[in-house]
Amino acid sequence: ETGVTQTPRHLVMGMTNKKSLKCEQHLGHNAMYWYKQSAKKPLELMFVYNFKEQTENNSVPSRFSPECPNSSHLFLHLHTLQPEDSALYLCASSPQQGTEDYTFGSGTRLTVV
Amino acid sequence: GNSVTQMEGPVTLSEEAFLTINCTYTATGYPSLFWYVQYPGEGLQLLLKATKADDKGSNKGFEATYRKETTSFHLEKGSVQVSDSAVYFCALTSQTGANNLFFGTGTRLTVIP
Repeated sequence: ETGVTQTPRHLVMGMTNKKSLKCEQHLGHNAMYWYKQSAKKPLELMFVYNFKEQTENNSVPSRFSPECPNSSHLFLHLHTLQPEDSALYLCASSPQQGTEDYTFGSGTRLTVV
Repeated sequence: GNSVTQMEGPVTLSEEAFLTINCTYTATGYPSLFWYVQYPGEGLQLLLKATKADDKGSNKGFEATYRKETTSFHLEKGSVQVSDSAVYFCALTSQTGANNLFFGTGTRLTVIP
């Protein structure tokens, strides 16, 4: 365990389903990140939260909706996804945005059918 | 803008062979450079980093030197082991703006006995 825990590890969902990914850290970090890892593409930064405030949204489609209720928890709510959204979704945290000490979770492998 | 280009894999080597994974970058300002490693079923872990030109990062027998003149940060190891089989990501933070972490596509390394 790295200190960043993601659940579930695997998720299969239909295009009409609604599901949520969860990320939790107790490292005392104040910045949390969602990345998308697809084959043969760079890791894509999706969202950044710094002290619970969203500071980055890299043109992510609205079918992905993040939520950060406190500095320890980060969610990614999913609805009406497409098959091309199938990927590994990684959560990371750092002491605050702009610092370089990132800790990553193991990811959620999402398959959209 | 900021981008990282690394050699496409997969790379397959025999145990004790010499490893080089090429990485070049484009960045505004003076970036810090990183190599992350992702073992099967796990998240990314920081392998090594360098924060200024001519710095050499090293860890677990891996080395990379920050070459500003060639905008490169190639990863090397003199003698790979089966346990080094993983995906390796080159990354940078730009030291300007939000200072987020930008990744390359990753290079899968398989070491065979």
